[in-house]
Amino acid sequence: EVQLLESGGGLVQPGGSLRVSCAASTFTFSTYAMSWVRQAAGKGLEWVSAINGPGTSTYYADSLKGRFTISRDNSKNTLYLQMNSLRAEDTAVYYCAKGSGGYWYFDLWGRGTLVTVSS
Amino acid sequence: EIVLTQSPATLSLSPGERVTLSCRASQNVNTYLAWYQQKPGQAPRLLIYDASNRATGIPARFSGSGSGTDFTLTISSLEPEDFAIYHCQQRINWPLTFGGGTKVQIK
Repeated sequence: EVQLLESGGGLVQPGGSLRVSCAASTFTFSTYAMSWVRQAAGKGLEWVSAINGPGTSTYYADSLKGRFTISRDNSKNTLYLQMNSLRAEDTAVYYCAKGSGGYWYFDLWGRGTLVTVSS
Repeated sequence: EIVLTQSPATLSLSPGERVTLSCRASQNVNTYLAWYQQKPGQAPRLLIYDASNRATGIPARFSGSGSGTDFTLTISSLEPEDFAIYHCQQRINWPLTFGGGTKVQIK
């Protein structure tokens, strides 16, 4: 079964850092763009970041202002999101999502990992 | 940044009814718009891409239309499993953006 499995979420203090990961299986990971999308409790979806298949192009939401870094290791079929200088408003479920063919839509999503920023 | 506004925020309907959801873009997105369905505690699922194309495995009761700034998702006859939140998303410009969602709940 094609799937994405996030990990690495948890409780972190304001100003702290966290790296979340997304392991992909049963599809040719390196040929697909990937993205992170987050959702605060009771709120809508917010796109965070995206990366192309080879990992040579990255894109970010304006609001992140350089605090987050997306990367991928195609040899390990894994996507990462390094989050620094975390704030309370970064608290959310973080989903990884697979790009659909050559388009920036998302046809496969993981179950998400919860990141809570609180003292 | 392109802002997507979904309306209404909530719809209360009965099974069998026809549903029309709206997504309005703050600027022209051509037909580069998708719709997703999200059930409680689950990840979103892609329903429609490029405004009117059903994703793999999506039932024919779901259809999308529109171009430019005004888009519609229609469910021809609500099934019990269709009660969920629906989100729209544009891909014409960075940053990618989602609408605020429309909740379809049982009346």
